[in-house]
Amino acid sequence: KAGVTQTPRYLIKTRGQQVTLSCSPISGHRSVSWYQQTPGQGLQFLFEYFSETQRNKGNFPGRFSGRQFSNSRSEMNVSTLELGDSALYLCASSSIPGQGGNEQFFGPGTRLTVL
Amino acid sequence: AQTVTQSQPEMSVQEAETVTLSCTYDTSESNYYLFWYKQPPSRQMILVIRQEAYKQQNATENRFSVNFQKAAKSFSLKISDSQLGDTAMYFCASLIGGSQGNLIFGKGTKLSVKP
Repeated sequence: KAGVTQTPRYLIKTRGQQVTLSCSPISGHRSVSWYQQTPGQGLQFLFEYFSETQRNKGNFPGRFSGRQFSNSRSEMNVSTLELGDSALYLCASSSIPGQGGNEQFFGPGTRLTVL
Repeated sequence: AQTVTQSQPEMSVQEAETVTLSCTYDTSESNYYLFWYKQPPSRQMILVIRQEAYKQQNATENRFSVNFQKAAKSFSLKISDSQLGDTAMYFCASLIGGSQGNLIFGKGTKLSVKP
């Protein structure tokens, strides 16, 4: 079974631009969560989608948004990029969110650099 | 609100020896799960071990075991017979059982296994 894939793996943008990151979950998984990883703040939860619905959202500004498609693939968008948005963005998938403490399988991440 | 604290930013251990990584957490929930994730350098995050809060018995997975002290809200990871491949960032995480699928992570402990 293929693992979680994320594209692109690396991205360089300038301040003020917007960016879209993509995540394809493991086949059969319907839940996708996004996390931001930075050296200073560590791993922080962005949002979670299940069956195309956002179920949970972390404490991030409205510039961060996401969606999930009917095939469970998910995208996240960051508008009006700031230097502080430079981070590794991780996507994780699970079969059913939260139930039984289902394991979340992580992708390799997208390294975003904002100049 | 849930919090997870890892008080050891960095640790090192000699190959074949045993090391224990500490983690404390705080939650008012009764139904929750605890995890240790491993993130090797430039590689994907993978689950090391999982503990259901309602289970008294400490989880074990081969060379990895936990010491779960529910009253003290402590969840330490013991790695026996350390191997060079154990070199990685280790993250302790919690998840509330039920419908939410967002992991709350500690800041991580960087473990170096020396030959």
